[in-house]
Amino acid sequence: GNSVTQMEGPVTLSEEAFLTINCTYTATGYPSLFWYVQYPGEGLQLLLKATKADDKGSNKGFEATYRKETTSFHLEKGSVQVSDSAVYFCALTQAGTALIFGKGTTLSVSS
Amino acid sequence: EAGVVQSPRYKIIEKKQPVAFWCNPISGHNTLYWYRQNLGQGPELLIRYENEEAVDDSQLPKDRFSAERLKGVDSTLKIQPAELGDSAVYLCASSSPGLAGARGETQYFGPGTRLLVL
Repeated sequence: GNSVTQMEGPVTLSEEAFLTINCTYTATGYPSLFWYVQYPGEGLQLLLKATKADDKGSNKGFEATYRKETTSFHLEKGSVQVSDSAVYFCALTQAGTALIFGKGTTLSVSS
Repeated sequence: EAGVVQSPRYKIIEKKQPVAFWCNPISGHNTLYWYRQNLGQGPELLIRYENEEAVDDSQLPKDRFSAERLKGVDSTLKIQPAELGDSAVYLCASSSPGLAGARGETQYFGPGTRLLVL
């Protein structure tokens, strides 16, 4: 079945450092890929998405590129801020079915 | 535009007691999902509705869990009786196919109900 694997955390960075959170997936066909973020005490929010190969999703300085050849959707940000501290979830869906999530990666950014 | 509304936000009950969660999706969203998120894990689907029809309930533990969406709008998820292992965050999400169709639709999540079973 379909699955998502993301790097285990926690990831601890200093402000302005470069961030990469790895995400790989297993799926038949062509899924849509998502990154959701969960800030402390809040619900899941969509961060970015990509619906076909080579698409790049971007939002709030974060980027991820849908790589079909490597079945990956790594999340990157060039300069993280303290306010980026949260749990990040990689997820996929196919044809409007339920999202399949990774286990989440906790990011902690210190000033 | 109002987001997905869930209530209550927190619930503490003793095992074997019943509990119910309520969700009101974003207006116009015909697809509604209930997910369960255990501590340190990603959410996992319990049930998905298209309008008032449950189209995927394969992961719903039907011996103790039930759900309804009678008028195709708001929904209720019930657990009876609750067990210690049911302690989790219960998330409701909704979506509606836009120009991108089902392929690109985004699911919007409510704040969740945090359940603690003692």
